[in-house]
Amino acid sequence: AQTVTQSQPEMSVQEAETVTLSCTYDTSESNYYLFWYKQPPSRQMILVIRQEAYKQQNATENRFSVNFQKAAKSFSLKISDSQLGDTAMYFCAFMKPTGNQFYFGTGTSLTVIP
Amino acid sequence: EAGVAQSPRYKIIEKRQSVAFWCNPISGHATLYWYQQILGQGPKLLIQFQNNGVVDDSQLPKDRFSAERLKGVDSTLKIQPAKLEDSAVYLCASSLTSGPTDTQYFGPGTRLTVL
Repeated sequence: AQTVTQSQPEMSVQEAETVTLSCTYDTSESNYYLFWYKQPPSRQMILVIRQEAYKQQNATENRFSVNFQKAAKSFSLKISDSQLGDTAMYFCAFMKPTGNQFYFGTGTSLTVIP
Repeated sequence: EAGVAQSPRYKIIEKRQSVAFWCNPISGHATLYWYQQILGQGPKLLIQFQNNGVVDDSQLPKDRFSAERLKGVDSTLKIQPAKLEDSAVYLCASSLTSGPTDTQYFGPGTRLTVL
């Protein structure tokens, strides 16, 4: 069974600063996909970034980047130059390559302070 | 491009009543998902459709939940009868096809409160 753990229920960061959200997971699969989704207060979830496990290079999307440590089963999200619009719940998720089902963590509520 | 539409946005019912939610996916998206998101948890997949066929409903409580996507476009999710533990946000998502390389686009959700 796959499990995803986000150990930080709440975090805050000053505007323009950098923040890192943690995620660990457990799986016996050798290849899989990892995701970070953002859920703003309006509740529409948006894909932030996706990482395929067999790719060594960490994924980046503008101000968002990940630190993927496969051996440690760790997948953290770094947000640089934090903006007020980054305030949201962030979910880490796992998916098998042949699968359709996300295994989500419990989320981290991030507040960007002006 | 219009996003995934859901209605209603909010619903309050008494336990043992029935309720239905509607979802209109992004045009052209063959795959449609219904998720249940209980407060403080991540979304949990209830059912996945590929066009008008069910691909996965292994986590759908079939004694009270049903879903259909008759013409391969819109979908409805029904709960009959509702229980207190059904209070949650019900999210609909769609993607062009299925699989981890196809981005799932989520709707705004329907927040259900069962009293």
